[in-house]
Amino acid sequence: QQQVKQSPQSLIVQKGGIPIINCAYENTAFDYFPWYQQFPGKGPALLIAIRPDVSEKKEGRFTISFNKSAKQFSLHIMDSQPGDSATYFCAASIEYGGATNKLIFGTGTLLAVQP
Amino acid sequence: EAQVTQNPRYLITVTGKKLTVTCSQNMNHEYMSWYRQDPGLGLRQIYYSMNVEVTDKGDVPEGYKVSRKEKRNFPLILESPSPNQTSLYFCASGPGGARNEQFFGPGTRLTVL
Repeated sequence: QQQVKQSPQSLIVQKGGIPIINCAYENTAFDYFPWYQQFPGKGPALLIAIRPDVSEKKEGRFTISFNKSAKQFSLHIMDSQPGDSATYFCAASIEYGGATNKLIFGTGTLLAVQP
Repeated sequence: EAQVTQNPRYLITVTGKKLTVTCSQNMNHEYMSWYRQDPGLGLRQIYYSMNVEVTDKGDVPEGYKVSRKEKRNFPLILESPSPNQTSLYFCASGPGGARNEQFFGPGTRLTVL
């Protein structure tokens, strides 16, 4: 129940394409869903996050779509650029009374955007 | 510059030789955590700390120890490393609370022969 399942494992798109990465969860107590971006040789960095009270959130070219009934959320990258090539992790967490800050990560998607 | 630092960045060692990976943050964060990253498995939490002197096990704590004697430092200790601990390790810190954002260090690539 604590798992977050992420797909695909890898993805190749052409510049300007719209890669979509999907995640699914089981635990309905999750209430915070961030996406992290990781470039080679670097640590992951928060890209965008959503809470279950909204169905979509946009920040620049990055959009999270959230489907509470299906327990799924996805990342869309509009007008993708070679500089977006990275590994993307979805995650989920539960805020307990004092907040344990525990993030459950998906297994990651390696995205390559070809020029 | 606000950051999480880890040392060393790369380490090759032999089975059974005790080692420590240091982690330090300068953002006055309450929360700190260690993760290991393995291909196909994503990021798995080893240990975390909600505050000074408070630590708890994550999902894969076997073979690891931590301590939190100061707010800024959270070292990871491998008392007797084994080859299955060969991995990429990340330290992270966060302000705690509802937002749950975590800031990651640059990683430590550990190879145990």
